[in-house]
Amino acid sequence: AQSVTQPDIHITVSEGASLELRCNYSYGATPYLFWYVQSPGQGLQLLLKYFSGDTLVQGIKGFEAEFKRSQSSFNLRKPSVHWSDAAEYFCAVGDFNNAGNMLTFGGGTRLMVKP
Amino acid sequence: DTGVSQNPRHKITKRGQNVTFRCDPISEHNRLYWYRQTLGQGPEFLTYFQNEAQLEKSRLLSDRFSAERPKGSFSTLEIQRTEQGDSAMYLCASKASQTGELFFGEGSRLTVL
Repeated sequence: AQSVTQPDIHITVSEGASLELRCNYSYGATPYLFWYVQSPGQGLQLLLKYFSGDTLVQGIKGFEAEFKRSQSSFNLRKPSVHWSDAAEYFCAVGDFNNAGNMLTFGGGTRLMVKP
Repeated sequence: DTGVSQNPRHKITKRGQNVTFRCDPISEHNRLYWYRQTLGQGPEFLTYFQNEAQLEKSRLLSDRFSAERPKGSFSTLEIQRTEQGDSAMYLCASKASQTGELFFGEGSRLTVL
């Protein structure tokens, strides 16, 4: 069965600093990987996804993520964090061997941004 | 607004009561998903529809839970005889194809007293 681990429950960074959120997955085949962001009281918004090809994926809001098969990781990065980036971030793996291809989510990382 | 719509946004009920949530997906999306999210956790898959057919159910979906999508458009999720452990955010999501982007609604938050 697939699983996703986000080792950091909370991260605090200063505005303008760089950010890296960690994600490790367990999946038997080539994974389909996603990062979502959730603001308080809101649904989830897709930041970026990896299906195949280039292992460095660009997303919205200046985010990028790198797929590293050897490390089973898909870490999310941003070079300069803005106060509006404060939110909860979820990594997810998709099971496309299953027709429904439902997603399995990690537990999330809550990002706080200091002024 | 052409996004995924869920209502009610908040529901407070007493233990033992029945509750129903509604999800209106993006109109051209034939795939509809229900997830449950408890405080401090990531969403967990509950069930999935392709058009009106319910094709998969998680073991999290006990006998007290039932979901329908009668005409392949909107969906309802009913919880009978609610328990305090049912308190959670219930998220609906939809997409147009197997590899399409999954769009989430803002969720329906259930509090069982």
